[in-house]
Amino acid sequence: EPEVTQTPSHQVTQMGQEVILRCVPISNHLYFYWYRQILGQKVEFLVSFYNNEISEKSEIFDDQFSVERPDGSNFTLKIRSTKLEDSAMYFCASKEDSLNQETQYFGPGTRLLVL
Amino acid sequence: RKEVEQDPGPFNVPEGATVAFNCTYSNSASQSFFWYRQDCRKEPKLLMSVYSSGNEDGRFTAQLNRASQYISLLIRDSKLSDSATYLCVVNQAGTALIFGKGTTLSVSS
Repeated sequence: EPEVTQTPSHQVTQMGQEVILRCVPISNHLYFYWYRQILGQKVEFLVSFYNNEISEKSEIFDDQFSVERPDGSNFTLKIRSTKLEDSAMYFCASKEDSLNQETQYFGPGTRLLVL
Repeated sequence: RKEVEQDPGPFNVPEGATVAFNCTYSNSASQSFFWYRQDCRKEPKLLMSVYSSGNEDGRFTAQLNRASQYISLLIRDSKLSDSATYLCVVNQAGTALIFGKGTTLSVSS
């Protein structure tokens, strides 16, 4: 069964450093998403991406964040200057391009710890 | 304003019990409804979509009441493997998923 993959599984970084989280969505999917989950809290939407551009973003997704689809398979989330409060689990998700299909499939996540 | 609210939990039940989770959502324009399951430190996994007429998948039954903006999940004959956090999720077509905080279920032998 096809699945979303993410690398790395864990990332430890120093405050102020840049991190890039990588995702490979399911191959025939065209909508891509990033969510985050701070420990003990709910899953929160960050950004959605379709047709090579951001289609929606939340208040969390400020200028420190950016997304890119550098090639036909990868989808990345960059945090330019990490803060302590960026420590969270980051999930990538993808959805097929269908009017009647709203189900998003999640990758296993990257656990980011900012020290 | 909380957009998706769920029972606080945790629910601790013996094997074989029937357990029900409730969820309310605030956005009347919501069009799609789901229950996801999340195991500790893992990603959310789709358990089932929720349809207006209600739907069943084995031991799991989901109901939707659009007028009351209320969603439920019933689990019959609970198994140890059902222990997880159950997330109520809604969205409007083509937009982000909005998650509830989840209700934790612990099934014991």
